[in-house]
Amino acid sequence: DAMVIQNPRYQVTQFGKPVTLSCSQTLNHNVMYWYQQKSSQAPKLLFHYYDKDFNNEADTPDNFQSRRPNTSFCFLDIRSPGLGDAAMYLCATSGFRGSVEQFFGPGTRLTVL
Amino acid sequence: TQLLEQSPQFLSIQEGENLTVYCNSSSVFSSLQWYRQEPGEGPVLLVTVVTGGEVKKLKRLTFQFGDARKDSSLHITAAQPGDTGLYLCAVSNTDKLIFGTGTRLQVFP
Repeated sequence: DAMVIQNPRYQVTQFGKPVTLSCSQTLNHNVMYWYQQKSSQAPKLLFHYYDKDFNNEADTPDNFQSRRPNTSFCFLDIRSPGLGDAAMYLCATSGFRGSVEQFFGPGTRLTVL
Repeated sequence: TQLLEQSPQFLSIQEGENLTVYCNSSSVFSSLQWYRQEPGEGPVLLVTVVTGGEVKKLKRLTFQFGDARKDSSLHITAAQPGDTGLYLCAVSNTDKLIFGTGTRLQVFP
């Protein structure tokens, strides 16, 4: 089945130790998103790609970076994780610009010790 | 201020009860979506409503889009433990989804 895959599902890192989360999709969608979600809150958009065109949200900290080497893969790099960065990180895709539907992966839960 | 306000924020009910979740805004939207997010998973799209006054049914779930396309409701009949999760309304803004504040539903057996 076509889907959005996130690895790992659970990630533990230490305060200040860089960490990379990965997302892949078999939907061949043009648009990919990274969200941060804290407990019982709505997902908060960090950035998104339309093809290779990177769009950063104004309030996304510089500590968060992203790479999209090809259509299928997208990475979220947290350069120096702080305790406040512990959260669920969700990857999503949509088929085209302006599409009202997004397809979400299962998320990676990040713990910062 | 939040573009989409959901109420209630939390809801804890017994199996078999009915419930309604609301999503309100002062803005007009061309369409609105409802997502459900089960614990430990990503959100899954339940429905998209596009016409003012539209009612859509998905088994025990009934979705309504307000006549003025500013608000929406989700009604669940005879809730089951499997309905437990975070319910999110959302609207599309160019490439982005704007989510509501969320309603966390817990259904006890």
